[in-house]
Amino acid sequence: NAGVTQTPKFRILKIGQSMTLQCAQDMNHNYMYWYRQDPGMGLKLIYYSVGAGITDKGEVPNGYNVSRSTTEDFPLRLELAAPSQTSVYFCASSYFGQGSYEQYFGPGTRLTVT
Amino acid sequence: KNEVEQSPQNLTAQEGEFITINCSYSVGISALHWLQQHPGGGIVSLFMLSSGKKKHGRLIATINIQEKHSSLHITASHPRDSAVYICAVRSHQFYFGTGTSLTVIP
Repeated sequence: NAGVTQTPKFRILKIGQSMTLQCAQDMNHNYMYWYRQDPGMGLKLIYYSVGAGITDKGEVPNGYNVSRSTTEDFPLRLELAAPSQTSVYFCASSYFGQGSYEQYFGPGTRLTVT
Repeated sequence: KNEVEQSPQNLTAQEGEFITINCSYSVGISALHWLQQHPGGGIVSLFMLSSGKKKHGRLIATINIQEKHSSLHITASHPRDSAVYICAVRSHQFYFGTGTSLTVIP
């Protein structure tokens, strides 16, 4: 299994540009998550999904959109990039069954908006 | 206000020392996780706890639900344990501490 994969690893965007961060998992996990990690801060949940076709906002959803058309993929869309979105983005997945919530993380995408 | 507080923020230890990292939380939870983030940035799940104690090799994690507190212990620390250790709790969503940066000196 490849686990959780993210692309790209690095990206520089200009203010106002848009992009999609890709996330895929091959573990048949039903839950998927997008987090951002700012320097010196804890991970913050942006959006999550409990299954294909179902998404919900996390703690910091403004400026982002997601979709979950398949179990495997959970892309994160930035429509109008702003410097405040400069961060490292982590995608994660977990299988919710019998109370198990262990999360598996992707390697991260480092995004700079200038 | 953070739902999850960790202490200490930074920790330097000599190789072989016993290390304790603490985590306190303020929300009702269904599970608590300890994660390890290496300097390269990758995040790995170490433990998931809902009660009691778990042990994996030199790592031990405990949780006291009544006191809303968890500890991560590392016995016989080694330089390869140098990383950021993150406490996370699952309430209606996941909340994360800011992490404890551990450096183990040979």
